[in-house]
Amino acid sequence: AQSVTQPDIHITVSEGASLELRCNYSYGATPYLFWYVQSPGQGLQLLLKYFSGDTLVQGIKGFEAEFKRSQSSFNLRKPSVHWSDAAEYFCAVGARNTDKLIFGTGTRLQVFP
Amino acid sequence: DSGVTQTPKHLITATGQRVTLRCSPRSGDLSVYWYQQSLDQGLQFLIQYYNGEERAKGNILERFSAQQFPDLHSELNLSSLELGDSALYFCASSPPRAYNEQFFGPGTRLTVL
Repeated sequence: AQSVTQPDIHITVSEGASLELRCNYSYGATPYLFWYVQSPGQGLQLLLKYFSGDTLVQGIKGFEAEFKRSQSSFNLRKPSVHWSDAAEYFCAVGARNTDKLIFGTGTRLQVFP
Repeated sequence: DSGVTQTPKHLITATGQRVTLRCSPRSGDLSVYWYQQSLDQGLQFLIQYYNGEERAKGNILERFSAQQFPDLHSELNLSSLELGDSALYFCASSPPRAYNEQFFGPGTRLTVL
């Protein structure tokens, strides 16, 4: 069965520091991979996606993610965090034979000035 | 703004009652998905409709049902409500051949007292 693991429940960084949020997935083939962000009281906004091809994908708001098949990972990175990046981040996997998304449990990012 | 609209934003009701949540997908999107977000279960896929037909079912209780109308808007009906049904309910939509890419609405927060 497909599953997504986000090992870090809560991460705190200083503004301007670099960020990496971890995501590991379990799926028999190459999945579709997504990162979404949820600000307090808001819906989920798509940050970036991986379908195939170049394993380093660029997203909105300066985020990028790298697909590593050997590690079953799709970690999200940002070189310099802004206070407005404080939110909850969800990694999701989509299977090629269904349309639904399987979400991880989320990582809450706190940014200190 | 994703282009997906959901009404109402907030709903407070009592146990045993029935409520209807409404979703309008983005223009041109044929698929509608319903997700439930709760503290203990995280983000869970409930059900998907494609162009009026049910396409996939997830962890949806028998007390819950959904439908998609000819104008492609969708309704999620929750009946015999229990305290544990309190959650944020998201609707998402996607265009044809979107490789699972889904655009989420702002959600409806349901509180069952």
